[in-house]
Amino acid sequence: DAMVIQNPRYQVTQFGKPVTLSCSQTLNHNVMYWYQQKSSQAPKLLFHYYDKDFNNEADTPDNFQSRRPNTSFCFLDIRSPGLGDAAMYLCATSRGRVSGANVLTFGAGSRLTVL
Amino acid sequence: RKEVEQDPGPFNVPEGATVAFNCTYSNSASQSFFWYRQDCRKEPKLLMSVYSSGNEDGRFTAQLNRASQYISLLIRDSKLSDSATYLCVVRRDDKIIFGKGTRLHILP
Repeated sequence: DAMVIQNPRYQVTQFGKPVTLSCSQTLNHNVMYWYQQKSSQAPKLLFHYYDKDFNNEADTPDNFQSRRPNTSFCFLDIRSPGLGDAAMYLCATSRGRVSGANVLTFGAGSRLTVL
Repeated sequence: RKEVEQDPGPFNVPEGATVAFNCTYSNSASQSFFWYRQDCRKEPKLLMSVYSSGNEDGRFTAQLNRASQYISLLIRDSKLSDSATYLCVVRRDDKIIFGKGTRLHILP
C-alpha cells in the first residue's frame, strides 16, 4: 500500500506556465519535505514543514512555493517554470526529527518536463 | 567542499563478489546516518540506518566511524539485483543531506 502518494507522476508544462505538484501521506507524519533531483545528482532539499512550521532552504529560488493545508497534504507550486527546473520532484515524510528510528519515506516522485 | 561526499563510481563487480563503498561527511555535528538505495528513475528507499556499533542486515553491513567522519557499506555475495545507486544520507539538526550516490553494476 502506497503511503506517500505523489501526483501527477509525470507533468509536462510549457516554459513559464505554472505547475502544482501534490503529495499526500497516510502515515500521519509530522514532517513533510520537498526535494528536487536532477539526473545523476543528489536530491536537493527545497523546503520542509514541521507540522505547520515552514522551513525554506536559503538557496531555494522564489519561483518555488509550498503549501501544507493539513497534516496529510503538501503542495509544491512552481510559479514560472524554466528549462532548468526540469527534474524529478520527490516528496518525503518523517515522524518527527529523522533519527535511526525515524526515517525518511519517499513518494514515487513527479517527473517534470518543461518545453 | 560538499558536506557529504561519495565516489560516484561506477563500480563494476562480478556476481558473488564483495564490494564496499565509503562516504565522508564534513560536519562533526552530524547526528544520524543512513544508506538509501535508488534504482534508475525511481525514488530512494531506505537500505539501512548506520550506528556507531556497526550493524548488519543479511548480506549488508554498515559501519560508522565518527572520529574519521566516514560511513561504509559492505555488500557480500553480491546479486544482480543489487545493481543500483547507493546514497549516503546524513542528518544534522533538521537538515538531511544526500550524497550524490555511488553507482553499482553487478555483472553476470
